[in-house]
Amino acid sequence: AQSVTQLDSQVPVFEEAPVELRCNYSSSVSVYLFWYVQYPNQGLQLLLKYLSGSTLVKGINGFEAEFNKSQTSFHLRKPSVHISDTAEYFCAVSDHDTGGFKTIFGAGTRLFVKA
Amino acid sequence: NAGVTQTPKFQVLKTGQSMTLQCAQDMNHEYMSWYRQDPGMGLRLIHYSVGAGITDQGEVPNGYNVSRSTTEDFPLRLLSAAPSQTSVYFCASRDPGQGAYEQYFGPGTRLTVT
Repeated sequence: AQSVTQLDSQVPVFEEAPVELRCNYSSSVSVYLFWYVQYPNQGLQLLLKYLSGSTLVKGINGFEAEFNKSQTSFHLRKPSVHISDTAEYFCAVSDHDTGGFKTIFGAGTRLFVKA
Repeated sequence: NAGVTQTPKFQVLKTGQSMTLQCAQDMNHEYMSWYRQDPGMGLRLIHYSVGAGITDQGEVPNGYNVSRSTTEDFPLRLLSAAPSQTSVYFCASRDPGQGAYEQYFGPGTRLTVT
């Protein structure tokens, strides 16, 4: 069985500071990894994904994430955050064996960007 | 394209009532799923469908029914609402043919059961 752990439930940060949102996963098979963002009162939108290939993945809005297979991590980073990045961020994993249609989500990390 | 649409946006039910949450997508996606979102628990899969006429249970299926008669629609039925079903419900779809695996989410239905 797979699981996803987001290590921080809330991350406050000042505008223009760097941020890292941490995600660890466990799975006995190969996985696909995702980060989604949820703005207040909206559905989830895809930020970025790792399917294969380069372990550094770039997404929308200046975010990037690095897949580390040995540490089973997929941390999300942004070098300089904006007020508009305030949202909840979800790490998610789908395993190759089920064709990727069963996705497990982490509990979420609420990013709060302060002026 | 409207993407994934959900109705209603808000709903209040009394314990024991039944209702159907509607979900539709216009992207011709084969895969559709229903999730519930509860504070501190992320999204949990209720039911999913890999095509018209094919559905299966997810992580938390009890108290919910689904059917998939068309590619576009995937309604979620609450048979006898309970306070534990107070949650925000999201419908999502995905195109398995793209090999991209990301899901497209609707705006959600906020359900309160009193």
